[in-house]
Amino acid sequence: KAGVTQTPRYLIKTRGQQVTLSCSPISGHRSVSWYQQTPGQGLQFLFEYFSETQRNKGNFPGRFSGRQFSNSRSEMNVSTLELGDSALYLCASSSSPPGMAGELFFGEGSRLTVL
Amino acid sequence: TQLLEQSPQFLSIQEGENLTVYCNSSSVFSSLQWYRQEPGEGPVLLVTVVTGGEVKKLKRLTFQFGDARKDSSLHITAAQTGDTGLYLCAGVGTGGFKTIFGAGTRLFVKA
Repeated sequence: KAGVTQTPRYLIKTRGQQVTLSCSPISGHRSVSWYQQTPGQGLQFLFEYFSETQRNKGNFPGRFSGRQFSNSRSEMNVSTLELGDSALYLCASSSSPPGMAGELFFGEGSRLTVL
Repeated sequence: TQLLEQSPQFLSIQEGENLTVYCNSSSVFSSLQWYRQEPGEGPVLLVTVVTGGEVKKLKRLTFQFGDARKDSSLHITAAQTGDTGLYLCAGVGTGGFKTIFGAGTRLFVKA
């Protein structure tokens, strides 16, 4: 069974640009969550999707957006990049709906560097 | 806002020593999980605790959920170099449904 796949693994952008990150969940998983990981802040919750609907959103500015497709694949977009957006972006999928104590299966992440 | 605070933030010990990592919050969680993350990889689930006062053992690792479901601890007996990694606690809120994470405890076990 294939794990969670995130693309690209590494990318470098400059301030003001935008970026789109992709996440393919484990087959059959309908729940996808996104997290931003930085050394000082740990994993910060961005948003969670279930059956193409955003079920939860973290405290991030509107420059951060996401969506989920009918095949459960998800994308997140960050517009007008800032230096502080440099981080590891992790996607996690789960077979449990939001609010249930299901296991989160993480991808290896997309490491974004903003120059 | 639900927050999970982990302590210590960093721990460096010798192989064979015991250690305890703490995860505390002022909020009640319906369940709490512990994950371990190694460099270049995403976190991997170690355990889920659901009932207040619950204790779970996984070989040399012992996990406890506080009676009030606001805190948890992870105890490692006779640490090994393979235990090195970032340990993260994660809680599912009683109302917000989302899973939030603590900042993590970075453990380094020296041979």
